Amino acid sequence: EAQVTQNPRYLITVTGKKLTVTCSQNMNHEYMSWYRQDPGLGLRQIYYSMNVEVTDKGDVPEGYKVSRKEKRNFPLILESPSPNQTSLYFCASRGLAGGIQETQYFGPGTRLLVL
Amino acid sequence: AQSVTQLGSHVSVSEGALVLLRCNYSSSVPPYLFWYVQYPNQGLQLLLKYTTGATLVKGINGFEAEFKKSETSFHLTKPSAHMSDAAEYFCAVSASEDDKIIFGKGTRLHILP
Repeated sequence: EAQVTQNPRYLITVTGKKLTVTCSQNMNHEYMSWYRQDPGLGLRQIYYSMNVEVTDKGDVPEGYKVSRKEKRNFPLILESPSPNQTSLYFCASRGLAGGIQETQYFGPGTRLLVL
Repeated sequence: AQSVTQLGSHVSVSEGALVLLRCNYSSSVPPYLFWYVQYPNQGLQLLLKYTTGATLVKGINGFEAEFKKSETSFHLTKPSAHMSDAAEYFCAVSASEDDKIIFGKGTRLHILP
């Protein structure tokens, strides 16, 4: 079954404590992306990756890091989380062979609360 | 640069009535347009997309959308609402095959019994 998985699904942490949210896809997709969803703001892209070792900033990259060492994994790293990073995070992936025709698949989301 | 405006953060319709969710876009190049649905506590799921060709696009669950270049619109419709359609709907635009997708702020659809 085609899937994008995220872990953890829920996380409560404190300001400044480094955390990593993992994302994995089983569809051999080149393109992966992280979004955050906030009420009234919709989804905003944090970072994206076109392939292994190729990453680029989205609209709201401040305070986040990513890495793409393997095609299937695209972890999101918060080195020093702050309360304004409390949000719902989604990972997504899609293939590039068919261009924009390719469907983008989303993970189930990670709800993060930073105290 | 691309942008999307969804008119109405909340829309309520009666069960069996027409669903109309409005989306207007801005793009300097021919756009690719999408509608996604998000059910409670779930990720986003693609409803339909317009890339090229026929301007009336049919999607899953009986939804369709029409690309109107002259009006820069891509409104989502469904002839008869069902209780299971209650969800949040996102319109999105992309400028090219590899460009990122820009999402609107979402419209929450409420279905009244």
